[in-house]
Amino acid sequence: GIQVEQSPPDLILQEGANSTLRCNFSDSVNNLQWFHQNPWGQLINLFYIPSGTKQNGRLSATTVATERYSLLYISSSQTTDSGVYFCAVVQTGANNLFFGTGTRLTVIP
Amino acid sequence: NAGVTQTPKFRVLKTGQSMTLLCAQDMNHEYMYWYRQDPGMGLRLIHYSVGEGTTAKGEVPDGYNVSRLKKQNFLLGLESAAPSQTSVYFCASSYPLILNTEAFFGQGTRLTVV
Repeated sequence: GIQVEQSPPDLILQEGANSTLRCNFSDSVNNLQWFHQNPWGQLINLFYIPSGTKQNGRLSATTVATERYSLLYISSSQTTDSGVYFCAVVQTGANNLFFGTGTRLTVIP
Repeated sequence: NAGVTQTPKFRVLKTGQSMTLLCAQDMNHEYMYWYRQDPGMGLRLIHYSVGEGTTAKGEVPDGYNVSRLKKQNFLLGLESAAPSQTSVYFCASSYPLILNTEAFFGQGTRLTVV
């Protein structure tokens, strides 16, 4: 099956700092989503981004499908950004999302 | 619009007991999924369904059964619970993922098997 690797596994930031989270995948995909799992366990959709660049407030994401990676940018981080960020992909021809192991982000005041 | 709703939210079972987790979605999605999340890991697919009356195995199907009798509901059953099934279970739904669409998740069910 497809391999999805996220880096870094853990990240600690001072409030106000910027960060870049990376997702590498081992095969062609036709669907990619970024999720934020908050400290209460809820999975929140951030981006649906199989290719190109999208922005939503302080967050933006870029996927380069031909090079098999996606990046999530968080600017001016806030304590509410803390949690685990997951990348999930749909391998070409498949019917389901395959998740990476996530990046745990801790933003300290 | 409730989205994806899971019941119950928490449950403690004794080894060998059975239970059913219910997932309901009100978005008219064809596809529905059950995932489990273990500490420090991403979500792993248990079973999924691409339409009413259909089910298929995912990565970790052993010990679970599913049914999709109605389009809006997807049931996950544990016939004889084991401590290894202690986990957080997430349900999701979507239109066919090949059609430029995204999946939406329920709030999760925390299951402990003692």
